[in-house]
Amino acid sequence: DVVMTQSPLSLPVPLGQSASISCRSSQSLVHSDGHTYLNWFHQRPGQSPRRLIYKVSNRDSGVPDRFSGSGSGTDFTLKISRVEAEDLGVFYCMQVTHWPPAFGPGTKVDIK
Amino acid sequence: QVQLVQSGAEVKKPGASVKVSCKASGNIFTSYYMHWVQQAPGQGPQWMGAIDPSGGSTSYAQKFKGRVTMTRDTSTRTVHMELSSLRYEDAAVYYCASWGSTGDYWGQGTLVTVSS
Repeated sequence: DVVMTQSPLSLPVPLGQSASISCRSSQSLVHSDGHTYLNWFHQRPGQSPRRLIYKVSNRDSGVPDRFSGSGSGTDFTLKISRVEAEDLGVFYCMQVTHWPPAFGPGTKVDIK
Repeated sequence: QVQLVQSGAEVKKPGASVKVSCKASGNIFTSYYMHWVQQAPGQGPQWMGAIDPSGGSTSYAQKFKGRVTMTRDTSTRTVHMELSSLRYEDAAVYYCASWGSTGDYWGQGTLVTVSS
């Protein structure tokens, strides 16, 4: 099974500053169809997760352009420019290239 | 409007079974697989398995194989997840979720407490 790792696991960020979260997979996430199925989710305290980014860099509908995803192969990054109070919570990467799907351990973002 | 509405919280004894339901409204029921995700207190989500609501085929994570059963009722647009032989470490919030190119959809979560 693919193992996902994230760093850092905790990230205090001043409001208005940028933040970057790294996600790595134990094997390449390039599917045989050529796509890379790496998603990013955000979970606020007490809420269900919500997907922000799919296939590495595609923002879901309604997701602010402050969020951007990049990367390839086994190394991926989520960047948040101008962190806002509503961004607090935990960010998870998740791969769905290989079965079974797997989440990363999460990066907790809190406001400094 | 797509919604996934789950059944309410459950309290079960060790060794018992729990069945959680997830009713879909909107047009996603037969569009995407329905996944079940376990989230233990303070932990990240863990994928448990998925069911194809159209054909009923299932796939389970190795960790839960033999204890989990996912079924669907197309007439009520509802999927069910039953976890048997409950252990204390099964205490968690269980989510149904569906995701695809048009978006992701999550239930509100069902808290399962395991207590003697």
